[in-house]
Amino acid sequence: EIVLTQSPATLSLSPGERATLSCRASQSVSSYLAWYQQKPGQAPRLLIYDASNRATGIPPRFSGSGSGTDFTLTISSLEPEDFAVYYCQQRSNLPPWTFGQGTKVEIK
Amino acid sequence: QVQLVQSGAEVRKPGASVKVSCKASGYTFTGYYMHWVRQAPGQGLEWMGWINTNRGDTNYAQKFQGRVTMTRDTSISTAYMELSRLRSDDTAVYYCARNPLDYWGQGTLVTVSS
Repeated sequence: EIVLTQSPATLSLSPGERATLSCRASQSVSSYLAWYQQKPGQAPRLLIYDASNRATGIPPRFSGSGSGTDFTLTISSLEPEDFAVYYCQQRSNLPPWTFGQGTKVEIK
Repeated sequence: QVQLVQSGAEVRKPGASVKVSCKASGYTFTGYYMHWVRQAPGQGLEWMGWINTNRGDTNYAQKFQGRVTMTRDTSISTAYMELSRLRSDDTAVYYCARNPLDYWGQGTLVTVSS
């Protein structure tokens, strides 16, 4: 099973600041990595798929990069609605699909 | 618009089973696999498996092998997830999500308590 490790666990930032979230895989997942945003009481929302492609309706301040084992989600300038928990998830060839443990982006 | 609407909250005793439904609309149901993901209170996301909604074949995470059954009824565009031999640590919100997890249901809280 591929293990995804996200860092940091918590990121304390102010609106307008840049957020950089990391996800490291225990073995290569090529570009088969996605990022999700989850707010309390809501289902996760797909932000980025295949490492760098924004999902439908996702604003351009969200961007993803990386391949192989190291990936980054960047939020260029935090809006108030961006404070949430973010998960990475891999879907490389064989199941199981796994998620990282999450990074909470909180207001400083 | 794509919608996944799940059945309501359930309470079960340890050892019982629960079956959660997920009704799809706004797209061709058999054109996309359906995944099930769960989230225990205050915890992260855990992938449980998927069902090929066209052919009916399934793939389950090893952790749930022998306890989970995913089925579908194409006539009503509905997927089901049944979990048996429930334990207290199965208490969680269960989500269905269309492949590639681009649309999610609203979640179904399953509480296992004696």
